[in-house]
Amino acid sequence: GIQVEQSPPDLILQEGANSTLRCNFSDSVNNLQWFHQNPWGQLINLFYIPSGTKQNGRLSATTVATERYSLLYISSSQTTDSGVYFCAVGGNMLTFGGGTRLMVKP
Amino acid sequence: GAVVSQHPSWVICKSGTSVKIECRSLDFQATTMFWYRQFPKQSLMLMATSNEGSKATYEQGVEKDKFLINHASLTLSTLTVTSAHPEDSSFYICSARRETQYFGPGTRLLVL
Repeated sequence: GIQVEQSPPDLILQEGANSTLRCNFSDSVNNLQWFHQNPWGQLINLFYIPSGTKQNGRLSATTVATERYSLLYISSSQTTDSGVYFCAVGGNMLTFGGGTRLMVKP
Repeated sequence: GAVVSQHPSWVICKSGTSVKIECRSLDFQATTMFWYRQFPKQSLMLMATSNEGSKATYEQGVEKDKFLINHASLTLSTLTVTSAHPEDSSFYICSARRETQYFGPGTRLLVL
């Protein structure tokens, strides 16, 4: 099956800093989503982005499908950004990457 | 829109008992729902795909007789963990597919 790798696995930031999270996948996909899992376990949809670039406030994402990677940018990070960020790829079914555990310190 | 609920949010049960978890799409109909399991500090692993009106499709290594899935309507899928054991303790998350997958808040199961 498809392999999904995320980096870095852990990230600690000072409030206000910017960061880039990466997702590499092993095969062509027609669905790629980024999620934020909050401390209570809820998965929050951030982006549906099989290709191209999208922005939503301080977050933006870019997927280069031909090179099989996607990037999630977080600017001016806040403590509420803490949690685990997952990318997931696939068609009808999603395969999740291992996640990036982000901690933003005040 | 695209809200998915799960019930219960947490459950503690004794070893050997069965536990039913409900997943509902509140404001849309979903012919396909998915069940995932997540162990502490790990990623989500797909357990099965639930299709309305037909049998669920289980991923390799998931015991279909242990994890019973029923998708009786376009807004409800249930997962029953039968004869639960401590190793079944986990965080169970469902999702419902519209144009993308929308996830429920999860159910924490602790088997004593």
